[in-house]
Amino acid sequence: GAVVSQHPSRVICKSGTSVKIECRSLDFQATTMFWYRQFPKQSLMLMATSNEGSKATYEQGVEKDKFLINHASLTLSTLTVTSAHPEDSSFYICSAQTSGGATQYFGPGTRLTVL
Amino acid sequence: GEDVEQSLFLSVREGDSSVINCTYTDSSSTYLYWYKQEPGAGLQLLTYIFSNMDMKQDQRLTVLLNKKDKHLSLRIADTQTGDSAIYFCAESAYGSSNTGKLIFGQGTTLQVKP
Repeated sequence: GAVVSQHPSRVICKSGTSVKIECRSLDFQATTMFWYRQFPKQSLMLMATSNEGSKATYEQGVEKDKFLINHASLTLSTLTVTSAHPEDSSFYICSAQTSGGATQYFGPGTRLTVL
Repeated sequence: GEDVEQSLFLSVREGDSSVINCTYTDSSSTYLYWYKQEPGAGLQLLTYIFSNMDMKQDQRLTVLLNKKDKHLSLRIADTQTGDSAIYFCAESAYGSSNTGKLIFGQGTTLQVKP
């Protein structure tokens, strides 16, 4: 149980385009989902926390207009990187948590490369 | 602010025990976690411990918590080559915001030599 999927697993895009990444909880309802970014050989940096049906809470320094998060259902959250640039290239990982749950279950990650 | 520290690298021989250490600063931490990350993959939850516990064992994994020193360790018995990965320590504090936000350490790369 507690499986989280991400799609796509890998994406290469041109500078200036927008990319949408999906995060799904497959066998449980996730009232809260988290989006992280990980640079090579570094730890995870929390970008934002999203609760189903409400606006995401962004961490300091994360541009909410650049990283659009939608959590429209209890099993799906999306992260859209708008007008992507090479510096946005990174590994993006989502996690999902049930209401009152103590554990975050992580997706397999999405490798974004912006040319 | 909250901070979680780990040593960056550990090398052991197959069959030996591995001990990965972590220190944290937030005394209000409620849960402490160990995650495993293999190359190019997401994080796999290995185990977690509630802050009122001292020890938790699950098969080859033993977690020790010293709340006074804010020190957490993960012991892997009979380490196998498949255990080679990056291990992240993380804490969460269920404060008034109740967000369950995780604070991660830098990760410890475990290298297991045959």
